[in-house]
Amino acid sequence: ETGVTQTPRHLVMGMTNKKSLKCEQHLGHNAMYWYKQSAKKPLELMFVYSLEERVENNSVPSRFSPECPNSSHLFLHLHTLQPEDSALYLCASSQDGWDRGLAGRYEQYFGPGTRLTVT
Amino acid sequence: AQKVTQAQTEISVVEKEDVTLDCVYETRDTTYYLFWYKQPPSGELVFLIRRNSFDEQNEISGRYSWNFQKSTSSFNFTITASQVVDSAVYFCALSPYPKGAGSYQLTFGKGTKLSVIP
Repeated sequence: ETGVTQTPRHLVMGMTNKKSLKCEQHLGHNAMYWYKQSAKKPLELMFVYSLEERVENNSVPSRFSPECPNSSHLFLHLHTLQPEDSALYLCASSQDGWDRGLAGRYEQYFGPGTRLTVT
Repeated sequence: AQKVTQAQTEISVVEKEDVTLDCVYETRDTTYYLFWYKQPPSGELVFLIRRNSFDEQNEISGRYSWNFQKSTSSFNFTITASQVVDSAVYFCALSPYPKGAGSYQLTFGKGTKLSVIP
């Protein structure tokens, strides 16, 4: 597989369920991201992991719990979600070099997303 | 705070017409990056271009061209001789120059939906 993959592509869950979204990148990148894309709203950055350490958490409710076991894998654990959490969840990865003094911010490559519906 | 505005919500053009997608940004940073992404109906965002704030040279890639004007805080995207396959939502985005942990905010505009009619 190449690029960034996400599973499942579609998920329907009840408000009391627990599920996990999975993201895997095959690009050798060192940073991974979760975004939420809702209708009529800009893409919202949820979490950032760099070198497997969480470096950004944009006031996301605790019912969303990220996990980054290694630089190639990223999970988003979901529990007791609300209907307004229905959205497209996108994973992305990039090669960030700021920690090594490299100039530049590298572009993020996105997966196809998981379409989540909370009933 | 950073902000990206794409004033055009939807645009429709007939195939082979040229079309320009507008992007205006706000930032207090003196150095930053600008991006354009394409999101076809399949949902995956496809990276198109990255531009450094200190490089105002316009860029052309095939039928795509980008006009970066720092004086007006704009980074517009033009598609020449549009094709049906260009139909997608296009996002402009802004990122600060890396300063350390936490400077990963990629701020997106709301996107412009382009429909190219055969």
